[in-house]
Amino acid sequence: DGGITQSPKYLFRKEGQNVTLSCEQNLNHDAMYWYRQDPGQGLRLIYYSQIVNDFQKGDIAEGYSVSREKKESFPLTVTSAQKNPTAFYLCASSIGMGGRQPQHFGDGTRLSIL
Amino acid sequence: AQSVSQHNHHVILSEAASLELGCNYSYGGTVNLFWYVQYPGQHLQLLLKYFSGDPLVKGIKGFEAEFIKSKFSFNLRKPSVQWSDTAEYFCAVVTSNTGKLIFGQGTTLQVKP
Repeated sequence: DGGITQSPKYLFRKEGQNVTLSCEQNLNHDAMYWYRQDPGQGLRLIYYSQIVNDFQKGDIAEGYSVSREKKESFPLTVTSAQKNPTAFYLCASSIGMGGRQPQHFGDGTRLSIL
Repeated sequence: AQSVSQHNHHVILSEAASLELGCNYSYGGTVNLFWYVQYPGQHLQLLLKYFSGDPLVKGIKGFEAEFIKSKFSFNLRKPSVQWSDTAEYFCAVVTSNTGKLIFGQGTTLQVKP
């Protein structure tokens, strides 16, 4: 079955530590996205990538970094510069980036601080 | 700044009650509109979408939504809810100038059996 796989499901970060969240898709989608979900705030866009080797900052990119070396993969690194990283992180993909392309979502990674 | 507002943060209904969840957006140009649903323990999935044409659109599981351009609204409705509709519902908009999906804050629906 085609879909988006996020791992791990739960992740704990120590102070000063960088952690990387994995996102892999086998839908052959060009566009991929990372969102952060906090209670009562909906989903906010962290980074997005329209094509391999290209990515753009979203609305809340500070303290995060990404790479897009392969079409299937879009890992997100939460750096020590992100002072409030505790949240639910969702990865999504779509055929292309544009108004009529529904996004498909993974199951998410819940990040907590030790 | 463009934004999406969902008026109801937490709704509690009994089975068979009718549902209407409000969604308003702030953008005067062309928009594409979506409702996503997140059932407990499941990933976010598309409920329905509107691009153009008939402003009343039907989605999965008996849900429908009406686009009222003059009110900048895209409210979600269901005539009779079931316990299995318990979930979090998100309204989302793509505006013609950014191409990015903007989400509302979400509404948690709890249906009592």
